Amino acid sequence: EVELVESGGGLVKPGGSLRLSCVGSGFSFNSYSMNWVRQAPGKGLEWVSSISWSSVDFYYGDSVKGRFTISRDNAKNSLYLQMNSLRAEDTAMYYCARHYDEKYTFNVWGQGTMVTVSS
Amino acid sequence: EIMLTQSPGTLSLSPGEGVTLSCRASQSVSSSFLSWSQQKPGQAPRLLIYGASIRAAGIPDRFSGSGSGTDFTLTISRLEPEDFAVYYCQQYVTSPPSWTFGQGTKVEIK
Repeated sequence: EVELVESGGGLVKPGGSLRLSCVGSGFSFNSYSMNWVRQAPGKGLEWVSSISWSSVDFYYGDSVKGRFTISRDNAKNSLYLQMNSLRAEDTAMYYCARHYDEKYTFNVWGQGTMVTVSS
Repeated sequence: EIMLTQSPGTLSLSPGEGVTLSCRASQSVSSSFLSWSQQKPGQAPRLLIYGASIRAAGIPDRFSGSGSGTDFTLTISRLEPEDFAVYYCQQYVTSPPSWTFGQGTKVEIK
């Protein structure tokens, strides 16, 4: 079964840091670009970041550029999101999502990990 | 930046009814780059339609997508109880690569 499992969420103070992880199973993790998408409580979806299968290419949404860093370890089937200088507006459920090759969308999603930024 | 506007915000319908959801882009979008997802409370999104009109694997044929340019629609021919959810349209932007979502349309039970 194809699966993505996120972890690492929690409560952090403004200005703090957190590292999210996502482990993939049931597919060739090293063949797919991967993404982070977030959803603030009661709000819509917001794409956060994307990384190519080889880690050569990576991209960020404007709201996180310069503060978040995406990375991956294909040997561990793992995707990461290092989040620094966190703000209250970063409070959200963070989903990892697998790119759907050649289809320009995401076809596998994890269950999400919640990040709360509050003093 | 291309914005996606979904309408209406909320629809109250009964099982068995049909519904058409709208997604309008502020500039022309390639059909290849437009997709639709469904999200139920407490769950992750699920891909329904990609390439504007192609059903993803396992999606019932009561779901259909259409449109081109700036106007796209998702149609559910007969609502089943499990179809009451929030629906998002999504587009891919090529340079630099990024994705944007519409604000969502909630289909609720009347």
